[in-house]
Amino acid sequence: NAGVMQNPRHLVRRRGQEARLRCSPMKGHSHVYWYRQLPEEGLKFMVYLQKENIIDESGMPKERFSAEFPKEGPSILRIQQVVRGDSAAYFCASSPTDDQPQHFGDGTRLSIL
Amino acid sequence: GENVEQHPSTLSVQEGDSAVIKCTYSDSASNYFPWYKQELGKRPQLIIDIRSNVGEKKDQRIAVTLNKTAKHFSLHITETQPEDSAVYFCAASTGGFKTIFGAGTRLFVKA
Repeated sequence: NAGVMQNPRHLVRRRGQEARLRCSPMKGHSHVYWYRQLPEEGLKFMVYLQKENIIDESGMPKERFSAEFPKEGPSILRIQQVVRGDSAAYFCASSPTDDQPQHFGDGTRLSIL
Repeated sequence: GENVEQHPSTLSVQEGDSAVIKCTYSDSASNYFPWYKQELGKRPQLIIDIRSNVGEKKDQRIAVTLNKTAKHFSLHITETQPEDSAVYFCAASTGGFKTIFGAGTRLFVKA
């Protein structure tokens, strides 16, 4: 059973460009969570999604950030018009139900030039 | 909303000694408390978890205790080894919704 798959592992963008981060949950998992981690800091919750639904997006900035988890395909975290402050590691986690442990992917390290 | 505080931020122990990391949470509705280990540049990995109907759980050299009245929980690692060196995160959750993580404890185990 493959784990949570994130791609790309590293993404470099220039200020003003768009960043798209992808997350394929573990097989059988329909709950996806996105977290942001700055160097030397903890994991900050961004958004929690089930298939086709955003359940909680209270940790995600209202502007420039969006997330989706379509019926088919991976979950996407999209950052428009990136700024230097968006540089971070973005981790995705998945779980089979909302009361089961979350399993993390390897993360996408986003660097903004 | 939920707030999780974790102490200490850095912990250095001699190989073979025990390490204890403590966390407190604010939301009395929290009922699930996982602990994750993150090595440099790698994913957080679940090492142990505890639910609110249990006061203590043990898995080999790792144990977690929970005091619901005081709203604090702790991770205990016995007979520490150099490979235990990593950052450890506690977390609190109300049934899987929005899990809130502590700021992390950087554990150094000196050989």
